[in-house]
Amino acid sequence: DAMVIQNPRYQVTQFGKPVTLSCSQTLNHNVMYWYQQKSSQAPKLLFHYYDKDFNNEADTPDNFQSRRPNTSFCFLDIRSPGLGDAAMYLCATGSRQGSNEQFFGPGTRLTVL
Amino acid sequence: GQNIDQPTEMTATEGAIVQINCTYQTSGFNGLFWYQQHAGEAPTFLSYNVLDGLEEKGRFSSFLSRSKGYSYLLLKELQMKDSASYLCAVSGDTDKLIFGTGTRLQVF
Repeated sequence: DAMVIQNPRYQVTQFGKPVTLSCSQTLNHNVMYWYQQKSSQAPKLLFHYYDKDFNNEADTPDNFQSRRPNTSFCFLDIRSPGLGDAAMYLCATGSRQGSNEQFFGPGTRLTVL
Repeated sequence: GQNIDQPTEMTATEGAIVQINCTYQTSGFNGLFWYQQHAGEAPTFLSYNVLDGLEEKGRFSSFLSRSKGYSYLLLKELQMKDSASYLCAVSGDTDKLIFGTGTRLQVF
């Protein structure tokens, strides 16, 4: 089945220790998104790629970086996690063709100790 | 600015019908989505409306009025498993979706 996969599902890191979250997709979609979602809040878009074109949201902290080495994979790097970065991180994919529906992965829940 | 409004919380009883409203103001409009999100899980797609009117899919229906910037999600024959957050999201004139804060539905 075509899908969006995120690894790991749960990640624990220490304050200030860099961490990388990964996302892969078998949908062959050209757009990939990273969202941060805190409890009882809407998903907050951090950035997205259209193919290799990177689009950063104006209010995304520099602490958050992303890489997309190919169509299938996208990574979220948090260079120096703070306690406020503990959240669910959602990866989604989409296609510019049609409705712009986004397909979400299961998410990675990040805990910062 | 761009804004999506929906109620924060709703409660209903098993077997009942509930309507979750969403109003929006966005630059451009390319459709409105409803997603369901259970606690600790990713959002899952429920419905998509781009034309005015009602889209029915089993127990769930979604309505859109573009002139009023208004949509609702109607859930019939509520079940306990329908307890979740329901996110309204609008596709504007970019690749991005603009999400509301979600409506947490509790079914008793």
